[in-house]
Amino acid sequence: EAGVAQSPRYKIIEKRQSVAFWCNPISGHATLYWYQQILGQGPKLLIQFQNNGVVDDSQLPKDRFSAERLKGVDSTLKIQPAKLEDSAVYLCASSPLALSSYEQYFGPGTRLTVT
Amino acid sequence: QKEVEQDPGPLSVPEGAIVSLNCTYSNSAFQYFMWYRQYSRKGPELLMYTYSSGNKEDGRFTAQVDKSSKYISLFIRDSQPSDSATYLCAMRGTRSARQLTFGSGTQLTVLP
Repeated sequence: EAGVAQSPRYKIIEKRQSVAFWCNPISGHATLYWYQQILGQGPKLLIQFQNNGVVDDSQLPKDRFSAERLKGVDSTLKIQPAKLEDSAVYLCASSPLALSSYEQYFGPGTRLTVT
Repeated sequence: QKEVEQDPGPLSVPEGAIVSLNCTYSNSAFQYFMWYRQYSRKGPELLMYTYSSGNKEDGRFTAQVDKSSKYISLFIRDSQPSDSATYLCAMRGTRSARQLTFGSGTQLTVLP
């Protein structure tokens, strides 16, 4: 079974630029999550999708971050404009059902550096 | 005060040692308790989960939950160099509190 795919793996941008990350979850997984993991910290949930609908985006900085999951499969996370404090690893995860959200499968992440 | 507190380490032990990793939490609504392992430059992977209080064993790993003390532990017996990683505790409630809350992780190194 293929795992969660993410691209790019690394990205360096200047502050105020925009950036987009892509995630392809495990086939058949209805729930998709985007997390932000700052160095030395645990992952923090940014947004959760159930199929193509948003379940929880309470911690998403909506003035600069946006995410979509068209057709309930792939997802993109965008930051515009980026700030220095956005430097982090952005992790995508998926799970079969929201009720079993303890069982999340993570991708390798995209390491973003904002200079 | 963070909802979940975890000693960041780093923790260094010799091969074969018993390792104890711990987390404390403040939210009494947490019902599910997980341990994730994260290797360098990789995403976290689920090691074990426990519902409510009690112990759970899986091979060399044992997870313990003491809800009365709001304290969870992961024990690793006969530790191996391949166990070197960051261990993250995570927890969630039910119904409206299903979001996972992670600890900051403990970095473990097992020396050959």
